[in-house]
Amino acid sequence: SQTIHQWPATLVQPVGSPLSLECTVEGTSNPNLYWYRQAAGRGLQLLFYSVGIGQISSEVPQNLSASRPQDRQFILSSKKLLLSDSGFYLCAWSRGGGQETQYFGPGTRLLVL
Amino acid sequence: DQQVKQNSPSLSVQEGRISILNCDYTNSMFDYFLWYKKYPAEGPTFLISISSIKDKNEDGRFTVFLNKSAKHLSLHIVPSQPGDSAVYFCAAVDSNYQLIWGAGTKLIIKP
Repeated sequence: SQTIHQWPATLVQPVGSPLSLECTVEGTSNPNLYWYRQAAGRGLQLLFYSVGIGQISSEVPQNLSASRPQDRQFILSSKKLLLSDSGFYLCAWSRGGGQETQYFGPGTRLLVL
Repeated sequence: DQQVKQNSPSLSVQEGRISILNCDYTNSMFDYFLWYKKYPAEGPTFLISISSIKDKNEDGRFTVFLNKSAKHLSLHIVPSQPGDSAVYFCAAVDSNYQLIWGAGTKLIIKP
């Protein structure tokens, strides 16, 4: 069976500090990978998605970047965090190839102070 | 421009009764729809989906209905249970195989 891991679960960071959130998927090969953000009381906003190693598509201009150094690893980064980067970050995977049901990780709660 | 809309931010239902969550979409090219359930501080969980070739899909207490002419789908939960209290998201698959999400409806099941 497939599992998706995210860490850390919670993170408190000062403004201007860097960020690295990691997501890994087990039990599948060549998944599509996604990073979402959910701001407090709001819906899901797609930030990045990737259909393969080194292939990243960005949905919104922002202070964040993503990388996929390995097939089942997806990293969300920032060089300098802003207050507005606070939120709940979710990683998801799908099989692709027309099977687009996405399966989500447990999420990371980021608080920028 | 929101292509998938959930116009009710919240819904309160008595335990044991039917919960009906609604979703409207604007793009007639959407042909696959999904419902997700989300508890606070957790990732969304896939519940049920429906293809545009069907008008109904059922899985246990959950049934999704699709009305293509009205560009409307609904999720029925019957009977509603306390554990059903969560935020429910409707999503559609676009032509790039990406999910277009609604804003969510918070369902509260009253004992």
